[in-house]
Amino acid sequence: DTGVSQDPRHKITKRGQNVTFRCDPISEHNRLYWYRQTLGQGPEFLTYFQNEAQLEKSRLLSDRFSAERPKGSFSTLEIQRTEQGDSAMYLCASSSDSNIQYFGAGTRLSVL
Amino acid sequence: AQRVTQPEKLLSVFKGAPVELKCNYSYSGSPELFWYVQYSRQRLQLLLRHISRESIKGFTADLNKGETSFHLKKPLAQEEDSAMYYCALSVSNFGNEKLTFGTGTRLTIIP
Repeated sequence: DTGVSQDPRHKITKRGQNVTFRCDPISEHNRLYWYRQTLGQGPEFLTYFQNEAQLEKSRLLSDRFSAERPKGSFSTLEIQRTEQGDSAMYLCASSSDSNIQYFGAGTRLSVL
Repeated sequence: AQRVTQPEKLLSVFKGAPVELKCNYSYSGSPELFWYVQYSRQRLQLLLRHISRESIKGFTADLNKGETSFHLKKPLAQEEDSAMYYCALSVSNFGNEKLTFGTGTRLTIIP
């Protein structure tokens, strides 16, 4: 197991387009988190899954954002009608009961 | 709501000198505190957590509940310590251990 994988690493899109990111957590990790990081800031929590259930969503997650984890394994984060303010690094992390979160390398989104 | 403050965005220290990265938090209960590190071109990774009471790569951090601080210290800085350091806090909520991060401190070790 090589750790948490995120795909793609970079995404450039035009304003108004939809984008989808994928996260593959460490196998057998039942907890999965999405964070967003903008320049000069620390990561900010977006949403949390325990197995396939999405148990918390931040107020940062507007109606244009949706996340799924259909089988309790990989997760997707979709942004509809992207805006320039959505440009950021999107990070995924997974953990087990030990509460140590392991982060992926992130997907850098640039909205033109 | 919980908050983490890292007052220094940049910190430069000579090799062999002591290092202290400051972190203060606000939360009325009993949070768990972490230090995460990001080396150049690498992903964010855990450096240490307060409940472990370990020394990792020569770094230690003591939770001071009275001052609500969790400063990171190392007595002798090494060049490989140059990195971005984030202090983070989590509050357990039915298994949700979401992290609240500070804005980070970029540490540069001068040879």
